[in-house]
Amino acid sequence: DVKVTQSSRYLVKRTGEKVFLECVQDMDHENMFWYRQDPGLGLRLIYFSYDVKMKEKGDIPEGYSVSREKKERFSLILESASTNQTSMYLCASRFVRDGTSETQYFGPGTRLLVL
Amino acid sequence: KQEVTQIPAALSVPEGENLVLNCSFTDSAIYNLQWFRQDPGKGLTSLLLIQSSQREQTSGRLNASLDKSSGRSTLYIAASQPGDSATYLCAVDTRDNYGQNFVFGPGTRLSVLP
Repeated sequence: DVKVTQSSRYLVKRTGEKVFLECVQDMDHENMFWYRQDPGLGLRLIYFSYDVKMKEKGDIPEGYSVSREKKERFSLILESASTNQTSMYLCASRFVRDGTSETQYFGPGTRLLVL
Repeated sequence: KQEVTQIPAALSVPEGENLVLNCSFTDSAIYNLQWFRQDPGKGLTSLLLIQSSQREQTSGRLNASLDKSSGRSTLYIAASQPGDSATYLCAVDTRDNYGQNFVFGPGTRLSVLP
């Protein structure tokens, strides 16, 4: 079974703090993604990565950065946390076979509260 | 820009009923469409993936169809059970002038009553 793990289930930070959210997948997937989910706004893509050291902006990258130094790990960084970044953060990964995208597998999510 | 909608927003049915959830998207230039299930406070679980060249996929009591030209997909759940209660989301893997991205619908919250 594919396993996508996220470093924390719940996190409380203060405004201005630097926050690291870690995501690890164990199936050698090329693609990895970071989303946030908010009531009334649904799931929105923040950043994604096609492969190691590659990254692309999603729909709402402002205030975030990412790092993918190893294939299995994709980190989301909030350089200076703000209250409007309070949200549920979801990581996902997927395998690409012969140019065809396979299913996305999601982690359990990290609920971040910024005070 | 690609937009995904889902109807209904919420649905409550008695156990044993067959039901249909609807997903619509505005741009037919998609690579695939995926249906997910999300339980409260949890991540998403993939149910079915339909590639753009396919018309339907089946898994157990679930059947998903895709009509790319009309921008529609349906998720059919047969003989519903209380354990099916969850939020169901559809998502399209789209390539457009705004860059590669995945667009999710807002979800349908399903309650199956025993």
